[in-house]
Amino acid sequence: AQSVTQLGSHVSVSEGALVLLRCNYSSSVPPYLFWYVQYPNQGLQLLLKYTSAATLVKGINGFEAEFKKSETSFHLTKPSAHMSDAAEYFCAASGGYNKLIFGAGTRLAVHP
Amino acid sequence: DTAVSQTPKYLVTQMGNDKSIKCEQNLGHDTMYWYKQDSKKFLKIMFSYNNKELIINETVPNRFSPKSPDKAHLNLHINSLELGDSAVYFCASSQRMAGDTDTQYFGPGTRLTVL
Repeated sequence: AQSVTQLGSHVSVSEGALVLLRCNYSSSVPPYLFWYVQYPNQGLQLLLKYTSAATLVKGINGFEAEFKKSETSFHLTKPSAHMSDAAEYFCAASGGYNKLIFGAGTRLAVHP
Repeated sequence: DTAVSQTPKYLVTQMGNDKSIKCEQNLGHDTMYWYKQDSKKFLKIMFSYNNKELIINETVPNRFSPKSPDKAHLNLHINSLELGDSAVYFCASSQRMAGDTDTQYFGPGTRLTVL
């Protein structure tokens, strides 16, 4: 069965520092992968998605992620964190019929 | 204009009651979903409908019954509410069901608290 693992339930960075949020998937075939962001008391918003067209995917708000089949990973990065990036981030994989299978989420804190 | 809307935003009720949550999307999408987010922020799909037809029905107690009167609406009715039903329920929609690459657009969530 498809599963998604996010390493680190909490990540804290300084403003201006690199953001790295880790995601690994478990699948017999390369899945379609997504990163969503959830701001406090809001719904989820798509940051970016991997659909096998290109392994390096650029998303909104300066985020990008690289699909690495050999590592079964899809880590999310941003070169320079802003205070407004503080939120919960979810990695997800498609599990057939467009069903999203989510990781447990990573809370990103950005401090001055 | 809100793309995916849910009502109510907050719902506080007693154990044993029956309640409904409504969802509407104005994106013209064919597929709609219900997800449950528990107190640890874990998200899990409950149901999906494609053009009013039930497609995904995860291992959800049959006290939960989704209804789709038309493809723009997907409501969730919950009978005999239990403490463990307390969660945030998200509605989402996507253009279509097949292909697995369509972006899902989420509503703002309904926070259900069962006392």
